[in-house]
Amino acid sequence: DAGITQSPRYKITETGRQVTLMCHQTWSHSYMFWYRQDLGHGLRLIYYSAAADITDKGEVPDGYVVSRSKTENFPLTLESATRSQTSVYFCASSERDQVAIAPQHFGDGTRLSIL
Amino acid sequence: AQRVTQPEKLLSVFKGAPVELKCNYSYSGSPELFWYVQYSRQRLQLLLRHISRESIKGFTADLNKGETSFHLKKPFAQEEDSAMYYCALLIYNQGGKLIFGQGTELSVKP
Repeated sequence: DAGITQSPRYKITETGRQVTLMCHQTWSHSYMFWYRQDLGHGLRLIYYSAAADITDKGEVPDGYVVSRSKTENFPLTLESATRSQTSVYFCASSERDQVAIAPQHFGDGTRLSIL
Repeated sequence: AQRVTQPEKLLSVFKGAPVELKCNYSYSGSPELFWYVQYSRQRLQLLLRHISRESIKGFTADLNKGETSFHLKKPFAQEEDSAMYYCALLIYNQGGKLIFGQGTELSVKP
């Protein structure tokens, strides 16, 4: 699914720094999502967006901020990074259609380490 | 509350043995369920969706509404099946949000 790209693929930063993870999709899907993947927790939804300028909280939104000024981009910002935010972050997109529910397409992930 | 439970964190089998990865869900609406697979250092990939009733890479999964289960099965495991498997429930009225189980790591030994 080359239609979703995440950047950077790897990031190391320090506690207290602001970090932004980028997600870009080329399908013009309406829905975009951010998940974090941690051992013992699987994937947990951080934020999602149903369209440009429409965002909503998921299961674990604290410490994160998102924006969606354009349909194709959905950046995730850690305003003041903490060690507990060390994780692998996945962006996903999906589009409903009239026939069936479209499953979500995932990016390659960003491995974020906070020291 | 919506919930997906995968009771096994790790499942280890020998090549050629049958495999069953368990998934149970809790949802008051009509469930749409998926299995995703993540091979080592690769992105999540869709393996199965229950509404398609398909078999992918020899895997099948049947939705059992009475038992609220969607177990993934394969009659003869292969070493290349070793991966992390996630069961997911689609909450359709919340933007198509997927709720994932914690995942089961399948290890197929030679």
